[in-house]
Amino acid sequence: EAGVAQSPRYKIIEKRQSVAFWCNPISGHATLYWYQQILGQGPKLLIQFQNNGVVDDSQLPKDRFSAERLKGVDSTLKIQPAKLEDSAVYLCASSFLDGSYEQYFGPGTRLTVT
Amino acid sequence: GESVGLHLPTLSVQEGDNSIINCAYSNSASDYFIWYKQESGKGPQFIIDIRSNMDKRQGQRVTVLLNKTVKHLSLQIAATQPGDSAVYFCAETLDAGNMLTFGGGTRLMVKP
Repeated sequence: EAGVAQSPRYKIIEKRQSVAFWCNPISGHATLYWYQQILGQGPKLLIQFQNNGVVDDSQLPKDRFSAERLKGVDSTLKIQPAKLEDSAVYLCASSFLDGSYEQYFGPGTRLTVT
Repeated sequence: GESVGLHLPTLSVQEGDNSIINCAYSNSASDYFIWYKQESGKGPQFIIDIRSNMDKRQGQRVTVLLNKTVKHLSLQIAATQPGDSAVYFCAETLDAGNMLTFGGGTRLMVKP
């Protein structure tokens, strides 16, 4: 079974620039999550989708972050404009059903904002 | 808000010894706890989980203990191997499908 795919793996941008990350979840997984993981910390949930609907985006900084999952499969997370404090690893995870505890994580995208 | 935390940021053990990683949680309403392993450059990997109505759960070489009285969770790894070297996170959630709250992580270093 293929895992969660993410791209790019690394991205370096200057502050105030824009960036987008892509995630392809495990086939058949209805629930998709985006996490932000700052170095030395545990992942923090940014947004959770159930199919193409948002379940929880309470911790998403909506003034600069946006995410979509238009067809209920792939998802993109965008930051516009980026700040220095956005430097982190952005992890995508998926689970089989909303109601499943086990989340499968992708390798993440390491973002460096200079 | 309430969150999950860990007592020790780094744990160094000898290969073959048993390891114990601890975690304190503050939300007494949490119903489900999970341990994740994260190797460098990779996403977290599920290790083992436990529901709040259980005290102990065993897997292959790993055991999770839950003490609800003191809100404490531990992960025991038997016969620790070099491949166990990683950062370990505990996470909690109120219910299936709800957001996971992760702790800060403990780095396990296994000396050959």
